[in-house]
Amino acid sequence: SQKIEQNSEALNIQEGKTATLTCNYTNYSPAYLQWYRQDPGRGPVFLLLIRENEKEKRKERLKVTFDTTLKQSLFHITASQPADSATYLCALDEQAGTALIFGKGTTLSVSS
Amino acid sequence: ETGVTQSPTHLIKTRGQQVTLRCSSQSGHNTVSWYQQALGQGPQFIFQYYREEENGRGNFPPRFSGLQFPNYSSELNVNALELDDSALYLCASSLAQGSRYNEQFFGPGTRLTVL
Repeated sequence: SQKIEQNSEALNIQEGKTATLTCNYTNYSPAYLQWYRQDPGRGPVFLLLIRENEKEKRKERLKVTFDTTLKQSLFHITASQPADSATYLCALDEQAGTALIFGKGTTLSVSS
Repeated sequence: ETGVTQSPTHLIKTRGQQVTLRCSSQSGHNTVSWYQQALGQGPQFIFQYYREEENGRGNFPPRFSGLQFPNYSSELNVNALELDDSALYLCASSLAQGSRYNEQFFGPGTRLTVL
């Protein structure tokens, strides 16, 4: 069966460190993968999209990698800040791109 | 530029009732998707509308139905509500320019509680 797994439900790190979140999938062949941030009581906010033929993408303090052989994406936040505390969701495309299939998310807590 | 808006923000219904949730897409966006997010879970795809036609559907029963209007706003209707329908319902709009690689812009959601 198809599955998307995000490595842990919760991740606690200290301010200034790099947070690394993992997204693994099975029985999918996505054309791309997206990462979203969700704050409590709010809708997800798009962060980054990486295509199947891209290995890495960066945006400010964020970096995403995509390994279609390992069926895994890593999401890094460098120099983390308390304001980065949120739930981070990975999502794959399905149904020729009409649907996004989300993982359960990883809740990141950055302490000062 | 106006973002995605949803109404109402909260709703309480009883089992067996019907509910209609509304969504206004971001200016210039012609595609609307609906998602259901249960507590502690990721959003689950319900369906997508593109130019007023259903363009894809997730694993939801027919009592979940939708509409998209000429101004690209959308409705989600759920009939015969069940307790398990209690969730945050999210609407997302995107601009389908013939490419699959479009980010989705989410609204704040409607919190539905079924008693």
